[in-house]
Amino acid sequence: EAGVAQSPRYKIIEKRQSVAFWCNPISGHATLYWYQQILGQGPKLLIQFQNNGVVDDSQLPKDRFSAERLKGVDSTLKIQPAKLEDSAVYLCASSLEGHYGYTFGSGTRLTVV
Amino acid sequence: AQSVTQLDSQVPVFEEAPVELRCNYSSSVSVYLFWYVQYPNQGLQLLLKYLSGSTLVKGINGFEAEFNKSQTSFHLRKPSVHISDTAEYFCAVRGNDYKLSFGAGTTVTVRA
Repeated sequence: EAGVAQSPRYKIIEKRQSVAFWCNPISGHATLYWYQQILGQGPKLLIQFQNNGVVDDSQLPKDRFSAERLKGVDSTLKIQPAKLEDSAVYLCASSLEGHYGYTFGSGTRLTVV
Repeated sequence: AQSVTQLDSQVPVFEEAPVELRCNYSSSVSVYLFWYVQYPNQGLQLLLKYLSGSTLVKGINGFEAEFNKSQTSFHLRKPSVHISDTAEYFCAVRGNDYKLSFGAGTTVTVRA
């Protein structure tokens, strides 16, 4: 089966600019997650979707981050405006509803300068 | 809420030597435990998982882990490492909310 697709792989922007990341989960996976992985740290959950509804966004900095999952399939994560501390790898993962196995995408590496 | 502590940030090891990566967790509910590997510039790949049953879990690439409920640990082991095992390893715990919480990671560097 095809894996979790993410784009772009790399992005460099200046602080205060905006950026968007895209994720296409595995077909049929109802649950989608966005994680932020800062260099030297473990991934941290930003937001969890179940189909097109948000289950948990308690760790999402809502003043600058937003995410949506249209039609319960693809998802977009946006940052506006970006700060230097947003430099990280943004990982998307998906899983079947109620299933314990996640599949991760390769991530988008964001550098804010 | 659950959390994970990986006790070693870096583990250098010689090729063909054994390696153990330590992981302790805390949780007030039943947990499911995972080990992931991340190669440079790649996403996370599942090595193995403990959901229930036998406390000794075997995974891919010759790795295994043992769940110890009394010590709240889930240590990862490999009896003989290869250069290709050089990577970052993450322990993760998941409760009934289906959310994974990761440790800070252990960098394994295998030397010839």
